[in-house]
Amino acid sequence: SAVISQKPSRDICQRGTSLTIQCQVDSQVTMMFWYRQQPGQSLTLIATANQGSEATYESGFVIDKFPISRPNLTFSTLTVSNMSPEDSSIYLCSVMGYLDGYTFGSGTRLTVV
Amino acid sequence: AQSVTQPDIHITVSEGASLELRCNYSYGATPYLFWYVQSPGQGLQLLLKYFSGDTLVQGIKGFEAEFKRSQSSFNLRKPSVHWSDAAEYFCAVGASNTGNQFYFGTGTSLTVIP
Repeated sequence: SAVISQKPSRDICQRGTSLTIQCQVDSQVTMMFWYRQQPGQSLTLIATANQGSEATYESGFVIDKFPISRPNLTFSTLTVSNMSPEDSSIYLCSVMGYLDGYTFGSGTRLTVV
Repeated sequence: AQSVTQPDIHITVSEGASLELRCNYSYGATPYLFWYVQSPGQGLQLLLKYFSGDTLVQGIKGFEAEFKRSQSSFNLRKPSVHWSDAAEYFCAVGASNTGNQFYFGTGTSLTVIP
């Protein structure tokens, strides 16, 4: 299975600011996925990031709020923009491995104050 | 519509006792099924998966799960729980190992008491 390094692991941010989360994979992957896990909730897919094209966002998520970059086959970033307390969540990046299902990064625990 | 249901929000078991976590799914195609564990403050770790073949699958940490197509279930079991098993457990279903949409259950929180 792929190994994913995600950072920061946690952050406390002021409302109105932005945070960029980085995700590095130890192998080349076509698609990377960004999930949000709100407190006490399950995982919700934010978007799918393909290298060389714009990310595909799920219903309820927009590029202006969650811009994503995918400059190469091993790296992606997710920015949470103009944050509010409602954005306090765990954000996880993941990749799909052949016959492995999803592999997840360790997550970024974001608290907006 | 596709969905995954984990009926038990929270389960408490004694250390050494057996464990079964329930998962039911609704899916139009042949499902790929997964169980993940999330320890406090951590990301998700894959426990086991089912794609095809033997309906009883073995995973890491002594866990196993059984796929029952007639019941649309994929329950997770462990014969003897350890205190370190206390965590959140998520069941997930997808269309294929290359698909980009998985459906996660809402999770079951496991507490282990001495």
